[in-house]
Amino acid sequence: GNSVTQMEGPVTLSEEAFLTINCTYTATGYPSLFWYVQYPGEGLQLLLKATKADDKGSNKGFEATYRKETTSFHLEKGSVQVSDSAVYFCALSPQGAQKLVFGQGTRLTINP
Amino acid sequence: GAVVSQHPSWVICKSGTSVKIECRSLDFQATTMFWYRQFPKQSLMLMATSNEGSKATYEQGVEKDKFLINHASLTLSTLTVTSAHPEDSSFYICSATGTSGRTYNEQFFGPGTRLTVL
Repeated sequence: GNSVTQMEGPVTLSEEAFLTINCTYTATGYPSLFWYVQYPGEGLQLLLKATKADDKGSNKGFEATYRKETTSFHLEKGSVQVSDSAVYFCALSPQGAQKLVFGQGTRLTINP
Repeated sequence: GAVVSQHPSWVICKSGTSVKIECRSLDFQATTMFWYRQFPKQSLMLMATSNEGSKATYEQGVEKDKFLINHASLTLSTLTVTSAHPEDSSFYICSATGTSGRTYNEQFFGPGTRLTVL
């Protein structure tokens, strides 16, 4: 079946630190991969996505590369800000389907 | 653009009563809406997918007679939790996709509804 496993949190970093949140997946075929972010009191928002192997999604300084050989889609940011504090969800959409399968979410807190 | 709202944002009800949660797309036509359930510190689990004017498709293990989904218009879907019990207490989240532009390939999420059953 389809599943997503992401790094357990919570993660606490200082401002300007380097961020990595690991995400690996299990799926048949060629899924699309996503990172969503949920700020306090708000709905999930798409942060970035990649639809095929070796694609790199990027947005707001965040990046993730679709690695089929390691079935991974790790989220990175070179220098985090306090405003990046949120819960981050890795997700996949099975090939040919619209539905999303989510990881368990990682709560990120950035201290000034 | 592409805003999805949910109402109410939180609700408390007595065991055995039914609760209706609304999901609206405010500025686009949502041909497909999704309902998710999120337990504390856990992932979002897809409950069902609904297409406007059609019966919802439920995920395995989700009781369709307990979680009634109606998607009667292109801007509104409702989830009714019938005869609610404490184990139904959870955070319910909807999302929607549209037919054109950015809304075609992306799900837009509502802010969620916290249900507490006493």
